[in-house]
Amino acid sequence: DAEITQSPRHKITETGRQVTLACHQTWNHNNMFWYRQDLGHGLRLIHYSYGVQDTNKGEVSDGYSVSRSNTEDLPLTLESAASSQTSVYFCASSGVGGTEAFFGQGTRLTVV
Amino acid sequence: KNEVEQSPQNLTAQEGEFITINCSYSVGISALHWLQQHPGGGIVSLFMLSSGKKKHGRLIATINIQEKHSSLHITASHPRDSAVYICAVRKPGTASKLTFGTGTRLQVTL
Repeated sequence: DAEITQSPRHKITETGRQVTLACHQTWNHNNMFWYRQDLGHGLRLIHYSYGVQDTNKGEVSDGYSVSRSNTEDLPLTLESAASSQTSVYFCASSGVGGTEAFFGQGTRLTVV
Repeated sequence: KNEVEQSPQNLTAQEGEFITINCSYSVGISALHWLQQHPGGGIVSLFMLSSGKKKHGRLIATINIQEKHSSLHITASHPRDSAVYICAVRKPGTASKLTFGTGTRLQVTL
């Protein structure tokens, strides 16, 4: 069965360190998204990609970057982790034309 | 003001009750999604709809485009329905990007 997986599921890191969260999907979807989920804010878009070599900033992109070198993967990098980036991160994918979205299990990141 | 508002924020029901969760939005949309998130778990898509009504098991989703309102109904609720239910909209011209409500936390007790 096709799926979307995130790793790690939990991560504790120190302020200032670079951190990369992995997202891998086997749906062969062109569209991939990274969201963060915080109490009182719902899910907010960090970065997104509509295909290989395409990346775009979302509403809360400061301090984050992504790259898309193949269809399956969209890793999210925190260049220099800050306590404000403590959150739960979700990766999602969908097909062309805005089909149903599929979400990963989430990564809980704590920056100390 | 959020573009997507859900009510109530929290809801407690007894097993067997009929439950309604509401979603209002203030922008034009091309589709509306209802999602489910269990505690500590991932997010699962329940429905995607752009008009009318959809049903899956005990879950029913309706949308009124003119009134910019959608409802999610759960019939014969069960403790396993306890979760956060999230409404999200896709705006025209934004491809697959979603704008989310803050969720409704549902607890169903025995």
